[in-house]
Amino acid sequence: AQKITQTQPGMFVQEKEAVTLDCTYDTSDPSYGLFWYKQPSSGEMIFLIYQGSYDQQNATEGRYSLNFQKARKSANLVISASQLGDSAMYFCAMREGLYNFNKFYFGSGTKLNVKP
Amino acid sequence: NAGVTQTPKFQVLKTGQSMTLQCAQDMNHEYMSWYRQDPGMGLRLIHYSVGAGITDQGEVPNGYNVSRSTTEDFPLRLLSAAPSQTSVYFCASSPLTVYEQYFGPGTRLTVT
Repeated sequence: AQKITQTQPGMFVQEKEAVTLDCTYDTSDPSYGLFWYKQPSSGEMIFLIYQGSYDQQNATEGRYSLNFQKARKSANLVISASQLGDSAMYFCAMREGLYNFNKFYFGSGTKLNVKP
Repeated sequence: NAGVTQTPKFQVLKTGQSMTLQCAQDMNHEYMSWYRQDPGMGLRLIHYSVGAGITDQGEVPNGYNVSRSTTEDFPLRLLSAAPSQTSVYFCASSPLTVYEQYFGPGTRLTVT
C-alpha cells in the first residue's frame, strides 16, 4: 500500500487566490511527522512546513498552513494568496516513528501552476 | 556555510561503468541520506546514515553502496551502472533531533 498519496497530478490557481493540495497517508505507527516540500523548476527541494502526529494545532508558516485531520489521515497543504513564484511541484512526505530515520516516504507530487 | 553540496551536477555513464556521487555537508549533521527521483515520482530513499561508521538500507538500495567515514561526507557508489539507474539523485542531511532535512542541489545521472 502507498504510504503517501497525492491524488492531484496538476492544479491551476489564479494569482492571489488560496489553493489546497491534498495528501493522505497510511501508517500504523502512533508517532510520525508530516512534511511538505516545494520543488521549483530549478530542481532544489525546499522545506515548507512540518506537522507532528502529537501536535494539537495545525502548523502554519507564513502563507502556508497544514490542515491536519488525524482521524482521516490527511495532511493537506493550504497556500493562501498564491503568487506566481508558487508555481512548482509540491511533495508531501512522512517520517514514521520518532527515531526511525530510515522510514521517510514521499508522495508522487502535485504540479501547481499559478495564473496571472 | 555551504550547506549540503553534491558533485557532479551532471553525469553520463555507459552500462557497466562504476562511479561515485559525492555528498558533503558542513553543518555537523549526524543524519545523512541519499534519494533518487524518477520522472513523475517522488523521492525514494536509497541509503542513510545516523553517524560516522553507521549506515543502513532504505527503500531501494540494490545496486548502490555507501560508507560514512566522517561526519561531513557520505558518498554513494554505483558498482555497475544500469539504464534503470538513470535518475536525479539527492543527498540530504539533518541533526538527529530535528525533523527537517536539508537537501543538496541534486545530481542528474544518465546511464546509456
